[in-house]
Amino acid sequence: SQTIHQWPATLVQPVGSPLSLECTVEGTSNPNLYWYRQAAGRGLQLLFYSVGIGQISSEVPQNLSASRPQDRQFILSSKKLLLSDSGFYLCACQKFGYTFGSGTRLTVV
Amino acid sequence: GENVEQHPSTLSVQEGDSAVIKCTYSDSASNYFPWYKQELGKRPQLIIDIRSNVGEKKDQRIAVTLNKTAKHFSLHITETQPEDSAVYFCAASTGNNNDMRFGAGTRLTVKP
Repeated sequence: SQTIHQWPATLVQPVGSPLSLECTVEGTSNPNLYWYRQAAGRGLQLLFYSVGIGQISSEVPQNLSASRPQDRQFILSSKKLLLSDSGFYLCACQKFGYTFGSGTRLTVV
Repeated sequence: GENVEQHPSTLSVQEGDSAVIKCTYSDSASNYFPWYKQELGKRPQLIIDIRSNVGEKKDQRIAVTLNKTAKHFSLHITETQPEDSAVYFCAASTGNNNDMRFGAGTRLTVKP
């Protein structure tokens, strides 16, 4: 079965600093990969999804970008963080069912 | 695109009582409806799902019902226990790559 590794678990970054969150998948190949953001006490907002290497689709305009350099690697990035980027970021994988990573709690200060 | 509404946003029940969470969806092409449980600070975990070819599915104390005509589906938890306390999310999808849409979540608190 597919498993997802996501890191770091928590991150505190100053405004204006860069960001890189990584997600890797095991147990499957050519999955669909997703980045979600969950603001405190709110639902899951789809940020990006990818159906293959180098294929990224953005759901909402924002300060973030995503890349998929390898089949089972999905990276969420920012050049300059904003306060509003704070939240809980979840990577998800879809091959046989939908599986979430353990999440990264980002606090921008 | 799909839009999923979830109610209530918070729900408090006494241990042993039942809890019901309701969701509506907008896209009649949606055919897959999962429910996720998210404990504080952890990842959402799939607890039950239903496809559009059935109207009800049950797994021990958890059941989900689907009304395709009315475009709504519900999660039923019977004999609630304190460990059922969590945020529950419904979702709807047609099976396409990017159209899984989540409800806003329901924070369930089960009081001992």
